[in-house]
Amino acid sequence: QAQLQESGPGLVKPSETLSLTCSVAGGSVSSGPYYWSWIRQTPGKGLEWIGYVFHTGSTNYNPSLKSRLTLSLDTSKNRFSLTLTSVTAADTAVYYCARLWVVVVPAAGVAYYTDVWGKGTTVTVS
Amino acid sequence: DIQLTQSPGSVSASVGDRVTIACRASQDVSSWLAWYQLKPGKAPKLLIYGASNLQDGVPSRFSGSGSGTDFTLTISSLQPEDFATYYCQQAKSFPIAFGQGTRLEIK
Repeated sequence: QAQLQESGPGLVKPSETLSLTCSVAGGSVSSGPYYWSWIRQTPGKGLEWIGYVFHTGSTNYNPSLKSRLTLSLDTSKNRFSLTLTSVTAADTAVYYCARLWVVVVPAAGVAYYTDVWGKGTTVTVS
Repeated sequence: DIQLTQSPGSVSASVGDRVTIACRASQDVSSWLAWYQLKPGKAPKLLIYGASNLQDGVPSRFSGSGSGTDFTLTISSLQPEDFATYYCQQAKSFPIAFGQGTRLEIK
């Protein structure tokens, strides 16, 4: 079973850039029907999906963050990363990295479930 | 974008009680809905996918039902380890969306 672990600074100053990394153990970021995803939890807004990166390099971002967000993946180190620019207090949250399981339903379409999560890392913008 | 509304926002219950949490989608998501359990300091856990399929390793006291726009998560007999916050998630399209959460507290 894959295990994910977030790392990065716990405190970021307003207007600066937030960078987080997620290390993957027990599985490869290059294989399987998986997208590698970030989700955050804020006290006021609950869970917010941030975006995903696929091993081909393709990405999909939440429109609410798209202008400030970059997700990338390093297959050689089996990890993926988040960069969020121009942060404000509203970006204070617990950030989770997660594996997005892509389920193909014949004749119906595709579904996306988050089947493995990291424990989360708290980021405060102040 | 699809939005999800959960109810209630919080519920108090006792060990052994049966609890039901509702999730309503703003448009038809077929059966493409999941439920998660979150506890502070722990990795969130996928409980149910496809509206009613139990994820491997999840106790059978958890069950999900519904399709289209209305879904429920039921815990048949609460155990001490079940006190947590529960979220639904639509799995049909991007951007992925979650409900606002239901906090399950000990009475």
